[in-house]
Parts: sequence; structure tokens; C-alpha cells
Amino acid sequence: QVQLVQSGAELKKPGASVKVSCRASGYTFATYGIAWVRQAPGQGLEWMGWISAYSAYTNYAQKLQDRVTMTTDTSTTTAYMELRSLRSDDTGVYFCARVFNSPTSGWHYFEYWGQGTLVTVSS
Amino acid sequence: QSVLTQPPSASGTPGQWVTISCSGSSSNIGSNTVNWYQQLPGTAPKLLIYINDERPSGVPDRFSGSKSGTSASLAISGLQSEDEAEYYCAAWDDSLNGVIFGGGTKLTVL
Repeated sequence: QVQLVQSGAELKKPGASVKVSCRASGYTFATYGIAWVRQAPGQGLEWMGWISAYSAYTNYAQKLQDRVTMTTDTSTTTAYMELRSLRSDDTGVYFCARVFNSPTSGWHYFEYWGQGTLVTVSS
Repeated sequence: QSVLTQPPSASGTPGQWVTISCSGSSSNIGSNTVNWYQQLPGTAPKLLIYINDERPSGVPDRFSGSKSGTSASLAISGLQSEDEAEYYCAAWDDSLNGVIFGGGTKLTVL
């Protein structure tokens, strides 16, 4: 069965960086992409971007592209999301999700999700 | 402010039929497919409907999706208490070159 297991909660100071991991199992890692979605406390879902595990192609949300980097390690079937220059409004739960992407068909959806990682930014 | 507009709340009694709307524009719903996610309290979102009206295996056929023009809808028939959750629509936006989510609709089963 497909599983995405994320790293544990993080507490960071403003200005620091955080790197969250997402270990995938139960499928051929390079066949799909990994997206990152975050959720501020009591708020809705916000797409951060995605990475193709096959080509390492990345596509970041415009508001985050200067501060975020997504990578994958195919040898360990793990995806990573690093967010730099953290601010208090970066506090929230960060989810990874397996992406089904077919741009010619206009299909792009998140089939399986990790359990989420709480990132708290506080001085 | 979300680019996809959903009502903030919806409600119904057990057994009722409920719909949740999702309004977008030509750059998102109008030219790409719509997906719906269900988020139970304290848990990760779950794919509920994909490519407008397809259900993943394991999702009851009480849930259905539709799309017309720049709007989409999620319908739930035979409402059950376990359906109480937050529901999000999502679509690719060609102008933003990324995925956009609706603001979410909190469904209450009375």
C-alpha cells in the first residue's frame, strides 16, 4: 500500500530554515511527483509547489519561490521541502502528497497524503 | 482570498442530500479539471473526487462531482454523521501556473 511518512514536528526561530522530509513506499517512486501543501492554524489549504521524482522538474508557488526548495532522493525514495527565512506566518502543518500529473489532459491531483508535519516559528 | 469560491459552511440532517459549490474562472475550472478533498478534523486531507467526477476506490458512491463551465459541485446523498468534515475544491490555474484551492466548506451534520 502507498504510504508517505513525514518527519517530526519542528520549532524554529524567525529567520531560520526548516527542512521537512517525506519518505514514500508502496509504489515506484520515480513514476509520480510529490507536492507540498501547507495549512496555517484554523485556515485552509495552500499549495506550495511540486517536484517530479522522475526529472526533478520543480514548480513553486509564486509567493514562495524565493524561499522554498524541493528535492528528491530516489535512492531512499524520499522527498524534501526546505523553507528559508522563516516568519511567524509560516507556522502551520506541512503535508506532502503524491501527485498524478498529466499536463496535456489538464489532470493534476493529489492521490495520497502524508500525515503532516507541524512547523512552529516563534522567538 | 482564494481564487476558487466556496460557501464557508453547509449543513444537513442524516439521510439528506447536500451540495457544495465551487466557483472559478476561465483560467482554472474553465480549462482544467476539478478535484475535491475531504479533511476530517485533525487529519490529513483525502482525495474524494478527481477529474471532475471520478471516485477513487473506497469512496462511497454517495459522493459525486460535476462541472459546468467555470463552476463545479460536490454532492453528497444519504448524509451520514461521519461526513462531517471540511471539503476543499482544487484546480490547476493556467495564469498562476499552479494549483489553487477553494477556501473550504465546513459541513455539519445536524
